[in-house]
Amino acid sequence: GQNIDQPTEMTATEGAIVQINCTYQTSGFNGLFWYQQHAGEAPTFLSYNVLDGLEEKGRFSSFLSRSKGYSYLLLKELQMKDSASYLCAVRDQTGANNLFFGTGTRLTVIP
Amino acid sequence: DVKVTQSSRYLVKRTGEKVFLECVQDMDHENMFWYRQDPGLGLRLIYFSYDVKMKEKGDIPEGYSVSREKKERFSLILESASTNQTSMYLCASSRLSGRNEQFFGPGTRLTVL
Repeated sequence: GQNIDQPTEMTATEGAIVQINCTYQTSGFNGLFWYQQHAGEAPTFLSYNVLDGLEEKGRFSSFLSRSKGYSYLLLKELQMKDSASYLCAVRDQTGANNLFFGTGTRLTVIP
Repeated sequence: DVKVTQSSRYLVKRTGEKVFLECVQDMDHENMFWYRQDPGLGLRLIYFSYDVKMKEKGDIPEGYSVSREKKERFSLILESASTNQTSMYLCASSRLSGRNEQFFGPGTRLTVL
């Protein structure tokens, strides 16, 4: 089976940096995705990691360590519009390559 | 601009009614998915499809069925709605290979009274 764990809520200040962690256990790891979901809206794709290391995309970066079953999403220069839920999802090739989602981390950015 | 659309944003039905939720994608994606999203439980996969007329059960298929008669359209059917099916329903699509990230529709908030 799959087990994905991420913090339920986080709060950070505008302009700061925040790191959202995700740990996972899966039998057939085949990639990790981060999605952003604003309240009442659809999740939107942020990043994808399949090899160890850091992937940077503007203010957002995502890191993966397959040996530790660990990923994090790093958000720099936080803006108020970054207040949203951030979903960690693991693709499992033993599960027909489908995605298995964590429960999400609700980030609140305060002035 | 890629797009996944769902037939309704909000829907209110009564217990025992048959409910159809429609999803259409314009990206020529092979894969389509139906999830439900509940507080504290995250997204859970109900059914998915890799091709026309093909369907596979996800993690929570009980009480649901699906139909995929055309590549772009994937329907979720609640044969006899129950109050525990009150939820946000999200449709998604993706390519069959490569990074194949999923693109989500706006969701349907279904309330069963």
